[in-house]
Amino acid sequence: SAVISQKPSRDICQRGTSLTIQCQVDSQVTMMFWYRQQPGQSLTLIATANQGSEATYESGFVIDKFPISRPNLTFSTLTVSNMSPEDSSIYLCSVEGRQTHNTEAFFGQGTRLTVV
Amino acid sequence: EDQVTQSPEALRLQEGESSSLNCSYTVSGLRGLFWYRQDPGKGPEFLFTLYSAGEEKEKERLKATLTKKESFLHITAPKPEDSATYLCAVDVRRWNNDMRFGAGTRLTVKP
Repeated sequence: SAVISQKPSRDICQRGTSLTIQCQVDSQVTMMFWYRQQPGQSLTLIATANQGSEATYESGFVIDKFPISRPNLTFSTLTVSNMSPEDSSIYLCSVEGRQTHNTEAFFGQGTRLTVV
Repeated sequence: EDQVTQSPEALRLQEGESSSLNCSYTVSGLRGLFWYRQDPGKGPEFLFTLYSAGEEKEKERLKATLTKKESFLHITAPKPEDSATYLCAVDVRRWNNDMRFGAGTRLTVKP
């Protein structure tokens, strides 16, 4: 299994500002994933971050709004830019347990973001 | 379109009252079905992976089963500490990661 540290655990931000969320993994992983979990809803994949290449974004998410960095095999950041109250959500970092197909995912504890 | 539907949305049980949670899916090319437990303020915690119809996995009071269209998470004699949201996800893996999550079942077990 992988141990994932995510910070901050929560934050309250003013609209129009940006927040960068950090994700640190205790082992080297090829792919890291960023999810959003809106209140009472399921997890939605925002993007996949591979080290050494641009992140791959899912439909409905764009790089200008959610820029991602992946400087090495154990670390990634997600920035929520120009925030609005609709961005209030839990943001989760995830990695796979093994770097092969059909693997379970491991999650950080999440960042609870409230935009006021 | 790939869909994952969990029911019920919420379930309240008395301690010791066994029940089942349902996860139905319509996907093409299922490569695995996962159950997670999520406590408030925490990320999902992995419970089980099921790969083929007929497969079963057990862990303490939990047992997961899989058919071609749905999965059940059976909870036998639950305790208050089993209270959590249980998430189901399917891996359709067309690209790097193609996980589809259900909205979850919020389980409350009263003493």
